[in-house]
Amino acid sequence: DTGVSQDPRHKITKRGQNVTFRCDPISEHNRLYWYRQTLGQGPEFLTYFQNEAQLEKSRLLSDRFSAERPKGSFSTLEIQRTEQGDSAMYLCASSSQGFNSPLHFGNGTRLTVT
Amino acid sequence: AQSVTQLGSHVSVSEGALVLLRCNYSSSVPPYLFWYVQYPNQGLQLLLKYTSAATLVKGINGFEAEFKKSETSFHLTKPSAHMSDAAEYFCAVSRTGANNLFFGTGTRLTVIP
Repeated sequence: DTGVSQDPRHKITKRGQNVTFRCDPISEHNRLYWYRQTLGQGPEFLTYFQNEAQLEKSRLLSDRFSAERPKGSFSTLEIQRTEQGDSAMYLCASSSQGFNSPLHFGNGTRLTVT
Repeated sequence: AQSVTQLGSHVSVSEGALVLLRCNYSSSVPPYLFWYVQYPNQGLQLLLKYTSAATLVKGINGFEAEFKKSETSFHLTKPSAHMSDAAEYFCAVSRTGANNLFFGTGTRLTVIP
């Protein structure tokens, strides 16, 4: 068990640019989640995959955000035309199929939009 | 709708003293409740979870939490604080059968030597 891996750890970008983050879940986990955490707040749910199917999306996930998990393994989260309000920590988590199996979180990608 | 309220954004305790972090939940259905810990610049780690099997739940690192339906509470406790317990603690709730968690705003625990 190598844990959930996220890349990059930090990303600084200028407003208006596109960014893409990658998440590699624990290999035997078929569920993958994206959360966003801003300073002083708890993580907020963005979206959830079971295998390659995106089953749920939060209203927080605007049209500028898109997530994929093409082969049911790693996932990418892309933000187009970034805004300063997108600055946050983006957390990925994975879990197994079991009912309410605990989420295992990665160390996150910290995005700063200047 | 599900939500959790964590009372006290900052809690300070002396090393060796009791740790009590408060969490109250709101849920229209029987909830599943969780406590996670987050160390600086790291992701969240599960401390313990309540899934209706037993009201007193024991977790890692000596932490435990008690589910009290009458008080809609799920407070986290530890009898004796260690310096290594200094971190941010998050309470979370999910609907039975749901996969996404709703987190509280967190409580930062400081342990004073």
